[in-house]
Amino acid sequence: DAGVTQSPTHLIKTRGQQVTLRCSPKSGHDTVSWYQQALGQGPQFIFQYYEEEERQRGNFPDRFSGHQFPNYSSELNVNALLLGDSALYLCASSLPGPLSTDTQYFGPGTRLTVL
Amino acid sequence: AQSVAQPEDQVNVAEGNPLTVKCTYSVSGNPYLFWYVQYPNRGLQFLLKYITGDNLVKGSYGFEAEFNKSQTSFHLKKPSALVSDSALYFCAVRPNTGRRALTFGSGTRLQVQP
Repeated sequence: DAGVTQSPTHLIKTRGQQVTLRCSPKSGHDTVSWYQQALGQGPQFIFQYYEEEERQRGNFPDRFSGHQFPNYSSELNVNALLLGDSALYLCASSLPGPLSTDTQYFGPGTRLTVL
Repeated sequence: AQSVAQPEDQVNVAEGNPLTVKCTYSVSGNPYLFWYVQYPNRGLQFLLKYITGDNLVKGSYGFEAEFNKSQTSFHLKKPSALVSDSALYFCAVRPNTGRRALTFGSGTRLQVQP
């Protein structure tokens, strides 16, 4: 059973550029959440996608946007990169449900460095 | 707003001794509580969760956690630590209705000495 996969593993960009990160959820999962983990900190919630729509969003600017495809995979896009965007970006997948007790399962992450 | 506090940046324990990693939380309503572990340059690995029922939750690799509603705590425990348990541990919370985003603590680094 394949777990959550993310690509690329590492990425180096310069300020002002744009980046796209990709995530494939665990088999059977259709909800994808994205988190940013800065060095030495806990993950912070960016947004969550279900049925190809953004369902919930954390306290991140509009430079952060996403997309979910019909096969449940997802992309995270960040425009106008800042030095402070350097972090490990984690994707998590889970099962849906209005009162779901689902566990979020995380991928290995994409390490983004902005120079 | 919900929050998680992990008061210890690092916990040191000798191999074979019991370990405790502390976590307190704040959330509206009843909480769903989670523990994750992170090894160097890796994502988060799920250990255990509390949803409802028995206050003592058993999880992977011999870990367990005790939910204490009056103290709003969810401490992670293991009776006998292994060197391979050395890693970064995160506690997370979300309310049991509505928003399903997890709020994480800042993490506790566990060092198990041989």
